[in-house]
Amino acid sequence: DARVTQTPRHKVTEMGQEVTMRCQPILGHNTVFWYRQTMMQGLELLAYFRNRAPLDDSGMPKDRFSAEMPDATLATLKIQPSEPRDSAVYFCASGLDPWPQHFGDGTRLSIL
Amino acid sequence: AQSVSQHNHHVILSEAASLELGCNYSYGGTVNLFWYVQYPGQHLQLLLKYFSGDPLVKGIKGFEAEFIKSKFSFNLRKPSVQWSDTAEYFCAVATSGNTPLVFGKGTRLSVIA
Repeated sequence: DARVTQTPRHKVTEMGQEVTMRCQPILGHNTVFWYRQTMMQGLELLAYFRNRAPLDDSGMPKDRFSAEMPDATLATLKIQPSEPRDSAVYFCASGLDPWPQHFGDGTRLSIL
Repeated sequence: AQSVSQHNHHVILSEAASLELGCNYSYGGTVNLFWYVQYPGQHLQLLLKYFSGDPLVKGIKGFEAEFIKSKFSFNLRKPSVQWSDTAEYFCAVATSGNTPLVFGKGTRLSVIA
């Protein structure tokens, strides 16, 4: 079965550090999504790409978060500087125009 | 903007009990509807989806959902739950072809022996 691959699976770092999360979408999928999952807010859409072009990043705090797709096999989500409130599980998902979305295993991020 | 409501935050059932999880959405046009399941510590997996046609949709693991347009609902059902169904269940809706899914806040299901 094709899978969305996310790295790292876990990340613990100190406040103020840069965090980079990576996602390899399923080959052939043309949409990529970044979600953040917390107990309080549930699943929040952070950013959304179609054919590598950003379509919607309104859910993302622009001052510290950035999302890119340097090529069709890699999507990145960066936080700089990181803050404790960024602690969450970050999921990447990919799809084919655009559903259903297939999710990766997530990056569990802890900011101390 | 569309939204999704899952009214039950946490449901506790005994094994073999029947399950129905509520999902209501707010959008008056054509919708595409999904249920995802997230087992503890895992990623979301698609249970079933509705695009058009028969409003009663059958998914994996014995789950089904019924789209009732007049009620803006897409409730998830299973006749007899098992301990392994313990998980969090998310309803999601999307409208046009270029919009991402909007998820409900999820319902945690605990199945006890």
